[in-house]
Amino acid sequence: DGGITQSPKYLFRKEGQNVTLSCEQNLNHDAMYWYRQDPGQGLRLIYYSQIVNDFQKGDIAEGYSVSREKKESFPLTVTSAQKNPTAFYLCASSIAAGSGKYEQYFGPGTRLTVT
Amino acid sequence: AQKVTQAQTEISVVEKEDVTLDCVYETRDTTYYLFWYKQPPSGELVFLIRRNSFDEQNEISGRYSWNFQKSTSSFNFTITASQVVDSAVYFCALEGGSEKLVFGKGTKLTVNP
Repeated sequence: DGGITQSPKYLFRKEGQNVTLSCEQNLNHDAMYWYRQDPGQGLRLIYYSQIVNDFQKGDIAEGYSVSREKKESFPLTVTSAQKNPTAFYLCASSIAAGSGKYEQYFGPGTRLTVT
Repeated sequence: AQKVTQAQTEISVVEKEDVTLDCVYETRDTTYYLFWYKQPPSGELVFLIRRNSFDEQNEISGRYSWNFQKSTSSFNFTITASQVVDSAVYFCALEGGSEKLVFGKGTKLTVNP
């Protein structure tokens, strides 16, 4: 079945450590996105990529980094520079970015806890 | 700037009741798209509907219906004869010229048996 996988479901890290969250899609979508969700909040865009080897900052990119070396993969690294990394992280993809013509499909999310 | 407001933080109903989730948006774009997503307890967002700014026709899909009114900048979502499986957080979202999806804070719906 086509879809988006994120692993692991739960992740625990010590403060000061970088951590990479995995996101893979087999939908053959060009665009991929990373969102952060905090309790009682909507989703906020961290980074997005419209095509391989290209990505743009979203609204809250500070303390995060991404890469897009393959069409199906868009890993997110939460660096030690991110002040409040504990959150629920959602990856999404769509046929193409922008214009609203295409809905985004979401993965199951990774809940990151940093202590 | 684009903004989506879901004023209802939490709603609790009894099964079979009808419930309406409100969504008010702000944008200066003339072309934009509105979305509703459902987030069940599992966490994954599920796409429900997309409307463009030029199509104000109401839409019905089974027990779900959507009312889009540009005059009041609203895109409300009604569930008829609610069921326990409808319990989830529902997000309204907007995409305009910025080409980024802007989400509201969500409405948590609890349907009690």
